[in-house]
Formats: sequence, C-alpha cells, structure tokens
Amino acid sequence: AQKITQTQPGMFVQEKEAVTLDCTYDTSDPSYGLFWYKQPSSGEMIFLIYQGSYDQQNATEGRYSLNFQKARKSANLVISASQLGDSAMYFCAMREGRYFGNEKLTFGTGTRLTIIP
Amino acid sequence: EAQVTQNPRYLITVTGKKLTVTCSQNMNHEYMSWYRQDPGLGLRQIYYSMNVEVTDKGDVPEGYKVSRKEKRNFPLILESPSPNQTSLYFCASSKTGVLMASSYNSPLHFGNGTRLTVT
Repeated sequence: AQKITQTQPGMFVQEKEAVTLDCTYDTSDPSYGLFWYKQPSSGEMIFLIYQGSYDQQNATEGRYSLNFQKARKSANLVISASQLGDSAMYFCAMREGRYFGNEKLTFGTGTRLTIIP
Repeated sequence: EAQVTQNPRYLITVTGKKLTVTCSQNMNHEYMSWYRQDPGLGLRQIYYSMNVEVTDKGDVPEGYKVSRKEKRNFPLILESPSPNQTSLYFCASSKTGVLMASSYNSPLHFGNGTRLTVT
C-alpha cells in the first residue's frame, strides 16, 4: 500500500484563487511528521510547511496552511491567493517514528500545479 | 549562506564508467542522505548516514556506494553505472533530534540536484 497518496497529478488554477493540494497518508505509527515541499522547474526542493502528529493546531506559514485531519489521515496543503510563482511540482512527505535514527522522508508522487494568469 | 552543495548539476556518462557525485553541507548537520527522483515514483532514499563513519542502506541501495569520512561530505559513488540509474539525484541533510519529538520537525535540506544520464 502507498504510504503517501497524492491523487491529483496536475491542477490548473486561476491566479489569485486559493488552491488545495490533497495528501493522504498511511501509518500505524502514533508518532510521525508530515512535510510539504515545492519543486519549481529549476529542480530544487524547497521546504514549505510541517505538521506533527501530536500538534493540536493546523500549521501555517505565510500563504501556506496545512489542513490536518488526523482521523481521516489527510494533510492537505492550502495555498491562499495563488501567484504565478506558485507554479511548480508539490510533494507531500512523511517521517515515521519507527525510522527514528534515519530521518527518512517517504514521498508521494507529487502534484504539478499550474497557475493561469 | 546555509546550504547543501552537489556537483555536478548535469552528468552524461556511459555504462560501466565509474562516477562520483559530491555532496557537501555547511550547517554542521549530523544526518545526510541520498535520494533519487523518477517520474511517477516521487523521491526514494538510496543511502543515509547518521554521523561520520556511520552509513546504512535506504530503500533502493543496489548499484550505489557512499562514504562519510568527514561530517560535511557525503559522496555518492556509482561503481558501474547502468541505464536504469538514469535519474535526478538529491543529497539532503538535517539536524537529528536527541529526543524523538525534536527530530520530527527538522526538515530535510536538499541540494539542487544532479541530473544523471547513463547511455
């Protein structure tokens, strides 16, 4: 079974609209962390936001917020007021407690977001 | 500037010709790792290192070697590259937490990637 599932291979969104990128995860570990990364066409991986399994509140970082629904095992990324520079590939990733000692991230297959002017 | 530096950015080689991709970080991180990125598969871990002289296999280690003789450097070695190793490679580093809780929110810091083509 996939550990991280991103069901939207591609999305097209009008500039200035809000965007929700879906991510569901699968783990039996009570301790885990969820990360979102952005990969622009230039190829680098940029860390956006983090949510811990014990965090009571949804994480926010500027225009990025994470809609964390623990019971549903989902961790959707919300980008408010999208900009042309948000066009990129977005990856959801998970770090599980059982890998403590290896700071391994398990990645989804990504969603390619294109912002339309 | 805090960063992870990989070289080269692009590399084209032929089957069987040994190559090394270098990785260096200036953040004094104990943990370093290599990933490969392939379309439709996301990023997969090749090897990791918790500290100097401590390395271990990730999910797809076959055909790769690593070494960690110094804290800042973690080269990836392909002794006999094959076409199925054509991929985009990333080196990454992070702090490691002494306690489980503190280790979770340490993001991996990635290098800019090395695009390798093996013909």
